[in-house]
Amino acid sequence: EVQLVESGGGLVQPGGSLKVSCVASGFTLSSYVIHWFRQAPENGIEWLAYIHTDSRYTHYAETVKGRFTISRHNAKNTVDMQLSSLRSEDTAMYFCAREMPIAAIFDSWGQGVMVTVSS
Amino acid sequence: DVQMTQSPYNLAASPGESVSINCKASKNIIKYLAWYQQKPGKTHKLLIYDGSTLQSGIPSRFSGSGSGTDFTLTIRSLEPEDFGLYYCQQHNEYPLTFGSGTKLEIK
Repeated sequence: EVQLVESGGGLVQPGGSLKVSCVASGFTLSSYVIHWFRQAPENGIEWLAYIHTDSRYTHYAETVKGRFTISRHNAKNTVDMQLSSLRSEDTAMYFCAREMPIAAIFDSWGQGVMVTVSS
Repeated sequence: DVQMTQSPYNLAASPGESVSINCKASKNIIKYLAWYQQKPGKTHKLLIYDGSTLQSGIPSRFSGSGSGTDFTLTIRSLEPEDFGLYYCQQHNEYPLTFGSGTKLEIK
């Protein structure tokens, strides 16, 4: 069964850092581009970043560029995202998702991990 | 960025009825629109992509239509398990953008 499981969320102070991770199972992670999204309470879904299969290419939303860093470790079936310089508006549920071979659509998502930025 | 305007925000219907959810893009996205379902405790489920292509395993009562800037998700003969949140997503260009969601509730 294809599965993505996020971890690493929690409460962090403004200006702080946190790493969220996405562990894949049931498929060969190295064959898929992986994306991160977030969804704040009562808000829609916001795309954040993606990383190509061999880490050669990454791309970020303007709202997180320079503050968030996506990386992957195919041998460990893991994709991480380091969140830095966190702001209250970064408070959200963070999701990873697998991109289908047809570009930019997602056939498998994780359940999400909550990140709360507050003093 | 492409702004996605989704309507209605809330929708109430009874099992067996048909409903439609609309999504309007702020610019031409050709056919590149996807629809997802989100339910509490479950992961997002891809229903439709490229405007009208049904994802594998999705029942044929779900259908998508439209092109350019205007798209519609139609669900015929609603089943109890169809109630939840629905989102559209344009997959024509980055940044990928989503509609604000439609909550489909049981009447």
